[in-house]
Amino acid sequence: GAGVSQSPSNKVTEKGKDVELRCDPISGHTALYWYRQSLGQGLEFLIYFQGNSAPDKSGLPSDRFSAERTGGSVSTLTIQRTQQEDSAVYLCASSFPGGRYGYTFGSGTRLTVV
Amino acid sequence: GEDVEQSLFLSVREGDSSVINCTYTDSSSTYLYWYKQEPGAGLQLLTYIFSNMDMKQDQRLTVLLNKKDKHLSLRIADTQTGDSAIYFCAESPTGSARQLTFGSGTQLTVLP
Repeated sequence: GAGVSQSPSNKVTEKGKDVELRCDPISGHTALYWYRQSLGQGLEFLIYFQGNSAPDKSGLPSDRFSAERTGGSVSTLTIQRTQQEDSAVYLCASSFPGGRYGYTFGSGTRLTVV
Repeated sequence: GEDVEQSLFLSVREGDSSVINCTYTDSSSTYLYWYKQEPGAGLQLLTYIFSNMDMKQDQRLTVLLNKKDKHLSLRIADTQTGDSAIYFCAESPTGSARQLTFGSGTQLTVLP
């Protein structure tokens, strides 16, 4: 596609429920990143995929968070047993290998846990 | 460790120049970036500079890099109301181009 597509754009869920957030990167971009942006905060790195290499999961805040990337394209970020502190905007980005020329971000999914 | 710092707020009058500043700690940073985020949108890459450059100009945007002081700035000439947004500085350390480290962003408000 022309840009990075994320869905849903907004998600309200009850505490304790599981949620899945989807990211469709730019065709040809082998690198894919998930970041979290809390209100008034910068961007917090969550996870990074590069081609067929093992993902860098060093930013995932707890074992309730997981992500996968199927076929080197679409990625799904799953949050199990959501907590109120998970409320944030989840941003996905993609880039060419190494991200040297910058990332292209999607518009994000605003997650609200009530 | 990696840390990127920015002031949180900046207000300017329409038509004036804006200067947004950023400091970083990782001297091995190879690439430094400026992103713009408008309300409800993702981040848009504005420009980037390689560490072997001191300055880069692109239309109304001028990026200055002082490697000695680890200081990066973004100057917007003839600031317009459409420039109101949050501006993020980011660094990509050498050998760790896997992920960018972002500052907390500077909210630019352009007053009429």
